[in-house]
Amino acid sequence: QQQVKQSPQSLIVQKGGISIINCAYENTAFDYFPWYQQFPGKGPALLIAIRPDVSEKKEGRFTISFNKSAKQFSLHIMDSQPGDSATYFCAALINGRAQKLVFGQGTRLTINP
Amino acid sequence: DAGITQSPRYKITETGRQVTLMCHQTWSHSYMFWYRQDLGHGLRLIYYSAAADITDKGEVPDGYVVSRSKTENFPLTLESATRSQTSVYFCASSAGDSGNTIYFGEGSWLTVV
Repeated sequence: QQQVKQSPQSLIVQKGGISIINCAYENTAFDYFPWYQQFPGKGPALLIAIRPDVSEKKEGRFTISFNKSAKQFSLHIMDSQPGDSATYFCAALINGRAQKLVFGQGTRLTINP
Repeated sequence: DAGITQSPRYKITETGRQVTLMCHQTWSHSYMFWYRQDLGHGLRLIYYSAAADITDKGEVPDGYVVSRSKTENFPLTLESATRSQTSVYFCASSAGDSGNTIYFGEGSWLTVV
């Protein structure tokens, strides 16, 4: 059972463009939604996170948009750069439930120069 | 600050052999986790531990054993390795408070032949 569904699997964007990755979840008990960035040969690292009491969170060029009623959230990367090329994972967890992250399937993002 | 380290980073073993992947963290985090990463599945939780001597199953625990006699160490053992256990294994840790960041190691690449 895939509790967090992520799309697309792969994405190619031109330098300077906007990269958009989408996730949908099923469990309404999830109350923390992080995005992780993973470079080849490395472990995932926290990029940005949001709680369901806000609809948007922005950190630099990275923005999470959250739609609680639709049970969807997305990552937007503005002015995408070649250094942003990586695999991105959305995730969700229930606070108080042993911090167990449930991950989406991942999106391989390539930014062409 | 060493953070979280995994060993070995790369391992090739034969079907039926026992393999132990080591994980060590220097932050005294309460929570530790083992995930496996496979194409198309994202990261899936194998086992987690809330504290020393407290462990519990995740999503895909079959064929794996863990122990946590010390807070800083969380070894993962494949008792009788199978080809389906060929994967990249990530150890992670968290202080465990609400919304605390979960930090990942750099991964252990395991091939079972």
